[in-house]
Amino acid sequence: QKEVEQDPGPLSVPEGAIVSLNCTYSNSAFQYFMWYRQYSRKGPELLMYTYSSGNKEDGRFTAQVDKSSKYISLFIRDSQPSDSATYLCAMNFGNEKLTFGTGTRLTIIP
Amino acid sequence: DTAVSQTPKYLVTQMGNDKSIKCEQNLGHDTMYWYKQDSKKFLKIMFSYNNKELIINETVPNRFSPKSPDKAHLNLHINSLELGDSAVYFCASSQRGTGTEAFFGQGTRLTVV
Repeated sequence: QKEVEQDPGPLSVPEGAIVSLNCTYSNSAFQYFMWYRQYSRKGPELLMYTYSSGNKEDGRFTAQVDKSSKYISLFIRDSQPSDSATYLCAMNFGNEKLTFGTGTRLTIIP
Repeated sequence: DTAVSQTPKYLVTQMGNDKSIKCEQNLGHDTMYWYKQDSKKFLKIMFSYNNKELIINETVPNRFSPKSPDKAHLNLHINSLELGDSAVYFCASSQRGTGTEAFFGQGTRLTVV
């Protein structure tokens, strides 16, 4: 069993819909939680990170962390075709080593 | 100006060859990394250097040898390439500390034939 589990999708939603992406993890020692977006043939780019439990909002993106359930989410409001990409969750113990999920491939249909 | 740049972008080579991938960052970060992304998009850390010092060395065959001449550069040399080494290799950098806000390069797509 992987330390971080993520549904690989693919996930297709119509433009304007709210998208929910999720990861579960097994190690309760993880402290920092990140979401990366990766376009095809490009490197991952950091969208957001949160420390411990709670919510964080940045524009159309909201990240949620529930440490009691070992569950993190990324919500995308008013989804756009330009949001079509693979979304990777990542987490660490407060050190340099990031542990990634396998990524969810998202397509926003115009 | 590219923040983290890798060369080459594509690399096709035969089994048994030795090859190198170069990485440079102009962000002033202390820490650099090599990650491997397999065909299923799973991204796994291989090495991490902080100020030219190796701080993370995951279970990677010793055919892979990273080298950091200075804190802005981290190269990856691979000896005796095998078919299973085919993947996309990403260089990344971050400030020392929590490892958050890592910036990734564009990747080097290595194909071993």
